[in-house]
Formats: sequence, structure tokens, C-alpha cells
Amino acid sequence: EDQVTQSPEALRLQEGESSSLNCSYTVSGLRGLFWYRQDPGKGPEFLFTLYSAGEEKEKERLKATLTKKESFLHITAPKPEDSATYLCAVQASIRGYQKVTFGTGTKLQVIP
Amino acid sequence: DTEVTQTPKHLVMGMTNKKSLKCEQHMGHRAMYWYKQKAKKPPELMFVYSYEKLSINESVPSRFSPECPNSSLLNLHLHALQPEDSALYLCASSRSQGGSSYEQYFGPGTRLTVT
Repeated sequence: EDQVTQSPEALRLQEGESSSLNCSYTVSGLRGLFWYRQDPGKGPEFLFTLYSAGEEKEKERLKATLTKKESFLHITAPKPEDSATYLCAVQASIRGYQKVTFGTGTKLQVIP
Repeated sequence: DTEVTQTPKHLVMGMTNKKSLKCEQHMGHRAMYWYKQKAKKPPELMFVYSYEKLSINESVPSRFSPECPNSSLLNLHLHALQPEDSALYLCASSRSQGGSSYEQYFGPGTRLTVT
């Protein structure tokens, strides 16, 4: 069974204090790994798609990387507006259907 | 434009009521999804429509009935719900299902409370 584990569950950073969020996965036939940001009471907002080990994507203060077993979301010099829950999701092909499995998320709080 | 819209934003219904949730996208996406999300949990897949046909039902109780009238619209009909069905219901769409891997774009959700 596909599994996605995110750590830490919660992270509290001072503004400007860089850190990384981890997403470990066990999946047969990875087709893609996605990062989403979710604010309370709202739908997830798409950030990145990574397809193969060694791939990196960047957007403003965020950088996502992928290895064969895990992905990292690096946050450089975070600001309070980066506070949110960050969700990782993996997509695998099962009987021709692209199934997406979400991790439980990392709740990030950035303090001014 | 990567917008998925959902109505209503909030819904309170009794256990004997019948109501519907609506979702719309104009990105030309051919796959649409319903998810249920409880507090502090990840989204949980309920249904997948691919090219307007139901392709996946993740063993959802029959009190939830999905409908895809056309490629832009997705409905979720609700009947005789239980209090434990209270949750945030999310709609999402992606370019397609099967074959290549495409990211899903989510709507803002409908906050459902069953009394």
C-alpha cells in the first residue's frame, strides 16, 4: 500500500530562519510528487510537481527537491505569510488509474 | 486562469434534508474529483470523473451521489447524511486522468455541517 509520511508535524520558525520540510514515500511506480500549501478552511493551492529523482523546482522562497525515497521543501528566509499547512502528495498508476495519496501535512508557523 | 469554484461556501443541513454541492471549472480539464477533509487530516478521495464518466468510487456510502452534467460541472448530491459527515468538501480538477501525471487544482471547498 502506498504510504506518504511528512515530518515534522508542526514547525515554528522565526522570520528569516530557514528550514526544510520532509516527505518520505513508499509507492510502486511513482508518476509524480506534488507539493501543496493549504490555509485554514481553504482548498490546497498547488505549488510544485516533481517527476524524477534529482529534479528541483523553485518559487520565491520555496525550493522542492526529490530523491528516490523522499522529497524536501526548503524554505529560505520565511515570512509570516508563509504560515500554512504544507501537503505532499504522490501519484502512482494503479490499473490505469492515477491515484493520489496525500501525506498528513506539516503545519508551519512563522513568527515575526 | 486556474480557478475552480464551489458553491455554497457553507451549508448546514439536517439528517433528513436533501442538498447539493456544486463545482465548476473552465480550464478545459477532463478529470474532476470530490474529496472530503476532516479537521487536521489530509484530503480523502471520494470520487473521480474522467471525461464525464465516473471512473473511481472509493467505497463511498450511497447517501453521497455524484453527477457530472458536462465537462465543466460537477455536483455532489447529499441525502440522509449523518453528523460524522460534517467536513470540508473539496472539488478538484486536472488536465486528464490516466497516462501522464497532472497536478490537481482545488476549489475553496464547502464547509458542511450536519445537525
